Amino acid sequence: GAVVSQHPSRVICKSGTSVKIECRSLDFQATTMFWYRQFPKQSLMLMATSNEGSKATYEQGVEKDKFLINHASLTLSTLTVTSAHPEDSSFYICSAQTGGMNTEAFFGQGTRLTVV
Amino acid sequence: DQQVKQNSPSLSVQEGRISILNCDYTNSMFDYFLWYKKYPAEGPTFLISISSIKDKNEDGRFTVFLNKSAKHLSLHIVPSQPGDSAVYFCAAPPPPGSNYKLTFGKGTLLTVNP
Repeated sequence: GAVVSQHPSRVICKSGTSVKIECRSLDFQATTMFWYRQFPKQSLMLMATSNEGSKATYEQGVEKDKFLINHASLTLSTLTVTSAHPEDSSFYICSAQTGGMNTEAFFGQGTRLTVV
Repeated sequence: DQQVKQNSPSLSVQEGRISILNCDYTNSMFDYFLWYKKYPAEGPTFLISISSIKDKNEDGRFTVFLNKSAKHLSLHIVPSQPGDSAVYFCAAPPPPGSNYKLTFGKGTLLTVNP
């Protein structure tokens, strides 16, 4: 299957700093990428939908000024957690789809963010 | 309103036995379903899918059944192996005409005991 690479896999940062997470589709062009946050006890929460060349669409309750998403090319989307706080500590996962209906999503390896 | 529901947060089975993971949905417009498997601290990986024109899709030890009238699908793993221990998510793409985002269930943690 297609490969989506997410970097870094782990990051520890100090409270108040910003952290950038990259999501790359390595062997296909992804018109749409998605960012998820995994909370304890399994659930995946969709944070935003990232479309190449346009502004991201954020889900209700997600602060767009805090979680900045940039989808500058068909193979790269970035999520920047600005002014991070300990409650932002979580597991963030990106996914990419080739487009069209009924296409499966390919997921990155995830990023464990710890804010101290 | 949760359109895709996995009502069992966890399931424990013995190695060699069958694991049955269930998923219900409410939107009759969904016509395609996917199952993902997720290990801790990793991203989900695609496992198997089924289109609404079928009622069964089989891939090795994994079979997904779809009952459209009941709006229910299930993933069968047989025989179950300890390496199958993971969280399993069912997901549905949006109906035609809307955006691409998947709707996920909350997942079921499967534990296969040796």
